[in-house]
Amino acid sequence: AQSVSQHNHHVILSEAASLELGCNYSYGGTVNLFWYVQYPGQHLQLLLKYFSGDPLVKGIKGFEAEFIKSKFSFNLRKPSVQWSDTAEYFCAVVIGNEKLTFGTGTRLTIIP
Amino acid sequence: KAGVTQTPRYLIKTRGQQVTLSCSPISGHRSVSWYQQTPGQGLQFLFEYFSETQRNKGNFPGRFSGRQFSNSRSEMNVSTLELGDSALYLCASSLGVLAGLGNEQFFGPGTRLTVL
Repeated sequence: AQSVSQHNHHVILSEAASLELGCNYSYGGTVNLFWYVQYPGQHLQLLLKYFSGDPLVKGIKGFEAEFIKSKFSFNLRKPSVQWSDTAEYFCAVVIGNEKLTFGTGTRLTIIP
Repeated sequence: KAGVTQTPRYLIKTRGQQVTLSCSPISGHRSVSWYQQTPGQGLQFLFEYFSETQRNKGNFPGRFSGRQFSNSRSEMNVSTLELGDSALYLCASSLGVLAGLGNEQFFGPGTRLTVL
């Protein structure tokens, strides 16, 4: 069965620091990859997605992610975080005809 | 365009009772998926419906069931509630079947179920 690993459970950064959140998935066939964000008290929202093509994907609010097939990774990055980026971030993957599987999430706290 | 709506938003039940949660997808979306979100387990897939048919199912006991109506609205039912069923239940809709076709899911606000 497919699985997703997010190794960072809680990350604390100061404003303007650079961010990289790790996401690794289990081996499979065709891969669709997603990063979702859940701001405090709000719905899950899609940050960005990868289906095919350019492995460097740009999303909303200055986020980007790079799909590295050889490493089974889809890490999320942002060069300079803001206090408003405080949220929980979920990586998710669909491999082949399987369901959408989420990682356990990374709580990001930005200190002003 | 209105987003995914879920009712009720909050629910308190006691052990042994049953509960029905409702989800209205975005207009035009034909796929509805349900997830359970808990602090310990994160987001776990329950099932996906497309055109009134269950397309995929997660690893939950048979007490968890669902259905989809011809207008794409979906309901989820949990019978014989247990304390461990306390969670946020999220519904998500997409245009087409999720798996393998790159369809993006849009999430609702969830129903917070507390079992006492």
